[in-house]
Amino acid sequence: DTGVSQDPRHKITKRGQNVTFRCDPISEHNRLYWYRQTLGQGPEFLTYFQNEAQLEKSRLLSDRFSAERPKGSFSTLEIQRTEQGDSAMYLCASSLAAGVRTNEKLFFGSGTQLSVL
Amino acid sequence: QKEVEQDPGPLSVPEGAIVSLNCTYSNSAFQYFMWYRQYSRKGPELLMYTYSSGNKEDGRFTAQVDKSSKYISLFIRDSQPSDSATYLCAMGGFQKLVFGTGTRLLVSP
Repeated sequence: DTGVSQDPRHKITKRGQNVTFRCDPISEHNRLYWYRQTLGQGPEFLTYFQNEAQLEKSRLLSDRFSAERPKGSFSTLEIQRTEQGDSAMYLCASSLAAGVRTNEKLFFGSGTQLSVL
Repeated sequence: QKEVEQDPGPLSVPEGAIVSLNCTYSNSAFQYFMWYRQYSRKGPELLMYTYSSGNKEDGRFTAQVDKSSKYISLFIRDSQPSDSATYLCAMGGFQKLVFGTGTRLLVSP
């Protein structure tokens, strides 16, 4: 499978616990995005990386959220002290951008469904 | 006001009908326009990708972009029950894509 891979597919946690999600992009892609989607809504942008540099973070991304992309390969998204409002599908996407002043097709993974009890 | 507006539906049509899905947007800096299909509990799947204005056709799907009106459309010809899904428009400049809420489409046999 050469698509975007996300792990785990489902995560159930108790309020206050920390969780970490992993995303493996398409191998030659240099951009990696994290989005969050709740029921009946479109994906909302959280953050994105070009190679290992985190170039933009949404105001939605509180200080409880942190994302990393060491060495420009896979990425992790950590949520600390989870709240019930964090329950959502967390989507990862990747693309191959020729430079900073361009945009290309985004390919999504299947997502991680987080439920905070 | 949201940057991207999309009617959530649901839109119900009989098999074989022509389906028209639309989005409007407010940011004149948007240059890249995409349509995604999303099945329940799955990630979005890219259907159409357009840069700037114009039409693009791929099989039963046609995407149109009218930047002067800030309006984009997706047409599906000869719709099939397997087309039943949520269709998301997405658009952006050089960085992130902004998504509409999605339109739920139901094609009945």
